[in-house]
Parts: sequence; C-alpha cells; structure tokens
Amino acid sequence: QVQLVESGGGVVQPGKSLRLSCEASGFTFSSYGMHWVRQAPGKGPEWVADIWYDGSHKDYADSVKGRFTISRDNSKNTLSLQMNNLRVEDTAVYYCARAAAFDSDEVTTGDYWGQGTLVTVSS
Amino acid sequence: QSALTQPPSASGSPGQSVTISCTGTSSDVGAYNYVSWYQQHPGKAPKRMIYEVSKRPSGVPDRFSGSKSGNTASLTVSGLQAEDEADYYCSSYAGNNNYVFGTGTKVTVL
Repeated sequence: QVQLVESGGGVVQPGKSLRLSCEASGFTFSSYGMHWVRQAPGKGPEWVADIWYDGSHKDYADSVKGRFTISRDNSKNTLSLQMNNLRVEDTAVYYCARAAAFDSDEVTTGDYWGQGTLVTVSS
Repeated sequence: QSALTQPPSASGSPGQSVTISCTGTSSDVGAYNYVSWYQQHPGKAPKRMIYEVSKRPSGVPDRFSGSKSGNTASLTVSGLQAEDEADYYCSSYAGNNNYVFGTGTKVTVL
C-alpha cells in the first residue's frame, strides 16, 4: 500500500533553516509527481510546492518562492523540502502528497498524503 | 491566491444528507474541472473523497458525491453516519501551476 512518511520537523528560530524529508513506499516513486502541502494550526491546507516525476520541473506558492526548494532523489524514493529564512507564519504541519502519474492527465492536490511533520518557527 | 470559501459548519442527523459548498472564482473553480474534496479527522492526514469534481476514488462510499455549478462546487454526504463527522476541505487547480484550498467545514452528526 502507498505510504508516505515525513520527517525533519521541529522548533526553529525565525531566519533559520530546516530540511524536511518524505520517504515513499508502496508505489513506483519515480513515476509520480509530488506535492508539499502545509496546514497551520486551525487553518485549511495551503499548497506549498510540487515537482515533476523526474525532477525536471518545480513550482512554488508565492508565499515561499525564493526561500523554499523542493527536490527529489528517485534512487532513494525520497522527497525533500529545504526551507530557508523561516518566518513565524511558516509554522504548520507539513505534508507530502502524491500527485499524478507521469502518463496521466489528472490534476490533483494529492491522492495519498503522509501523516505530516510539525514545523514551529518561534523565537 | 485567496482561499476558497466554505461554510464553517454543517450538521445533520444520522441517515440525513448534508451538502457543503465551496465558492471560488472564474480563475479557479469556475475555470477548471479539477476540484477535489478531502475528509480530515482530528490529528489525521486528509483523505481524498472526490476528485475532478465528481469522481470517487475506489474505496470511498457512494454516499459521497460531488458537483459544480459556475464558481461553486458542492459535496453531498447522503445517509450520514457517525464516522462522517470530520472537517472537510475542497481544493481546486488555479492555473499557472497553482492550487488553492478551501477554508474548511466542520460536519457534525447530531
């Protein structure tokens, strides 16, 4: 079965950096695009970034553009999110989610999501 | 990109139906048939219940249905059951490789 396990969250001061990881299993990781989606406490989800199945194309929400970098290692079935210059408003649970397969015309915010990892930005 | 607007709460008795709206604009919900609905229980990850406006993933009960008219999408849960009590979020493709989520609706089974 599809499994997505995030890690790397924690408490960090404003202006610092953090790197999140998402380990995928149960499907052919290299055939699927992937999303990062975050959810601030008591709020709805917010799309953060996505990456094509082969890593050749990446997109970002305006709120994180220039500060966050999404990447993937298909040899290790791992998705990453490098977060620099963190702000208090970046505090949220960060989820990785599986996007559409490379040969699909489906457009989705994710059919499977991990359990999330909490990032708290506070001085 | 502004969040899609959902009512904060909805409720119904067991066996009844409840419909949740999701209002966007002509740039997101109204422009694309890429609306999804997610169910989220407290402390859990969202689970996709509907995609592409009205398609139901395998394993999702047919009590869940989706539709769209203009800039507003809707999720209907028929034959409410206790386990349907959860938060529900809509999402839509918003063009230019962007996505937007809804503000969320808490469904209570009375």
